[in-house]
Amino acid sequence: DIQMTQSPSSLSASVGDRVTITCRTSQNIYTYLNWYQHKPGKAPKLLISAASNLQSGVPSRFSGSGSGTDFTLTINSLQPEDFATYYCQQCYIPPYSFGQGTRLDI
Amino acid sequence: EVHLVESGGGLVQPGRSLRLSCTASGFIFGEYAMNWVRQAPGKGLEGIGFIRSKNYGGTSVCAASVKGRFTISRDDSKSIAYLQMNSLKTEDTAVYYCTRVNYQDYDGNSVIDYWGQGALVIVSS
Repeated sequence: DIQMTQSPSSLSASVGDRVTITCRTSQNIYTYLNWYQHKPGKAPKLLISAASNLQSGVPSRFSGSGSGTDFTLTINSLQPEDFATYYCQQCYIPPYSFGQGTRLDI
Repeated sequence: EVHLVESGGGLVQPGRSLRLSCTASGFIFGEYAMNWVRQAPGKGLEGIGFIRSKNYGGTSVCAASVKGRFTISRDDSKSIAYLQMNSLKTEDTAVYYCTRVNYQDYDGNSVIDYWGQGALVIVSS
């Protein structure tokens, strides 16, 4: 299985801040990397696919980058609704593994 | 509208077996790969198994953490995916989600686009 290492595990920030979450994989996955946002009691929401493709309806303050084994999710100008847990997921080789998650708190 | 409904969860003793079902509606089930994800209490998401559509062989693969104990199958005639869990351990206690995998032509990535509400499995004596 492909191992995913996501950091930090938690992060405190304020509205208007810029935050960066990183994800590292145990092998080259090219750009087969997705990012999800998860809020309590709701299904995770796909934000970004293929490392950098913003999904329809997702605000442009979210962006992704990276390829190979190192990836980044950046959120510019944090909004109150952005406080949630974020996961990276590889979709290169099943089972599609997730990072450990980053909890973003106010 | 796409719906995924898990059933079969509950309390089970260590070492016993349990089978979860995922009943799908609102789409042509046989055309999609399906995926099981679990979330243990206070923990993150863990992808535990995947089954391809019949068009891609219908084969399944499970994560190392459950390999040899869990198997995934599907019945396209009934639009149901199954997760058979054997030799359950206390660390298998989690909410188990059935998810649909969608292949995006434009970027070549497979994404999870729909989730069930989850089935709680508690493994305890």
